[in-house]
Amino acid sequence: KAGVTQTPRYLIKTRGQQVTLSCSPISGHRSVSWYQQTPGQGLQFLFEYFSETQRNKGNFPGRFSGRQFSNSRSEMNVSTLELGDSALYLCASSFGGVVQYEQFFGPGTRLTVL
Amino acid sequence: AQTVTQSQPEMSVQEAETVTLSCTYDTSESDYYLFWYKQPPSRQMILVIRQEAYKQQNATENRFSVNFQKAAKSFSLKISDSQLGDAAMYFCAYCIGPNSKLTFGKGITLSVRP
Repeated sequence: KAGVTQTPRYLIKTRGQQVTLSCSPISGHRSVSWYQQTPGQGLQFLFEYFSETQRNKGNFPGRFSGRQFSNSRSEMNVSTLELGDSALYLCASSFGGVVQYEQFFGPGTRLTVL
Repeated sequence: AQTVTQSQPEMSVQEAETVTLSCTYDTSESDYYLFWYKQPPSRQMILVIRQEAYKQQNATENRFSVNFQKAAKSFSLKISDSQLGDAAMYFCAYCIGPNSKLTFGKGITLSVRP
């Protein structure tokens, strides 16, 4: 069974640009969560989508947005990139809530903003 | 604000020895769920162990066990018979409901000495 895949794995952008990251969950999983990981802040929750609806949202500015498609694949978009957006972005998929079902993480997308 | 604190940024253990990783959390909720996640150098995060706050019995998964002290809001992870493959960053996390988001600590880097 294929794991969670994220594309691209590495990305370099400049300030002011926008970026779209993609996450393909494990087949059958309907929940996709996104996290930002930085050395200073650790792992911070961005948002979760379940069956194409945003179910939970973290404390990030509106420049960070996401969506989920009918096949459960998810994308996150960051507009007007700032240097502080440089981070590893992880997505995780599961059948449902994190309590009943284990979350499986992808390898991450390393975003560097110059 | 609900927080998770991992006060030790790094720890080291000799192979075959036992190590305990500390975690404290702060919540006003009476029912919640606690997790330890492992992130090896390859970056794919995996679930190590989980604990429901309403259960008094400490969770155990093979060489991994927790010491859950609800009154003290403490949730430490004990790794017995440490192996080289245990070297990773370990994150403590919790959520307050079955469909709520995960809140992570900043993580602790564990190294294993051969």
